[in-house]
Amino acid sequence: DVKVTQSSRYLVKRTGEKVFLECVQDMDHENMFWYRQDPGLGLRLIYFSYDVKMKEKGDIPEGYSVSREKKERFSLILESASTNQTSMYLCASRRQLLTGELFFGEGSRLTVL
Amino acid sequence: AQTVTQSQPEMSVQEAETVTLSCTYDTSESNYYLFWYKQPPSRQMILVIRQEAYKQQNATENRFSVNFQKAAKSFSLKISDSQLGDTAMYFCAFMKHSNFGNEKLTFGTGTRLTIIP
Repeated sequence: DVKVTQSSRYLVKRTGEKVFLECVQDMDHENMFWYRQDPGLGLRLIYFSYDVKMKEKGDIPEGYSVSREKKERFSLILESASTNQTSMYLCASRRQLLTGELFFGEGSRLTVL
Repeated sequence: AQTVTQSQPEMSVQEAETVTLSCTYDTSESNYYLFWYKQPPSRQMILVIRQEAYKQQNATENRFSVNFQKAAKSFSLKISDSQLGDTAMYFCAFMKHSNFGNEKLTFGTGTRLTIIP
């Protein structure tokens, strides 16, 4: 079975802190994604990566950056956390096929105080 | 840009009944894919069913089936003989076709479905 592992299920950070959210997949998938999930807003794409060292902005990239140095790992970075970044963050991966299914991690719930 | 609309934020139904979740989308693309994903409480999101726009036949997966109306840009999910394990958030999603297979998915806002014992 495909496994997508997010490093932390729950995090509490202070405003201004630098936050790292890590995601690892074990199926050699080319594509990886970071989504943010908020009630009433659904899933919104922050960043995605086609392959190693490749990244592309999604719909809401402001305040975030990403890193993909190895194929299996995709990190989301909040350079200076703010209270409006309190949210559930979902990582997903996909084999680069025409109709490739997304495989999701369990999510990381971030609270910024 | 594509948009996906789910107009039912919450629904509930008795166990064993049939329920239909609505989804509409807006796109100028002619070739694309539509998906329904399920997110059970505190568990990972998983794919329920997928539909290719060029296929006229509606997709089915066991108790799950879709009603795909391309002209109306409508993609509803029908769950037959609903079970307690069907309780979840359901998200409709759109992806345009690409020969490279690296397009992003656009999700709706979700419908929270509760199956009542």
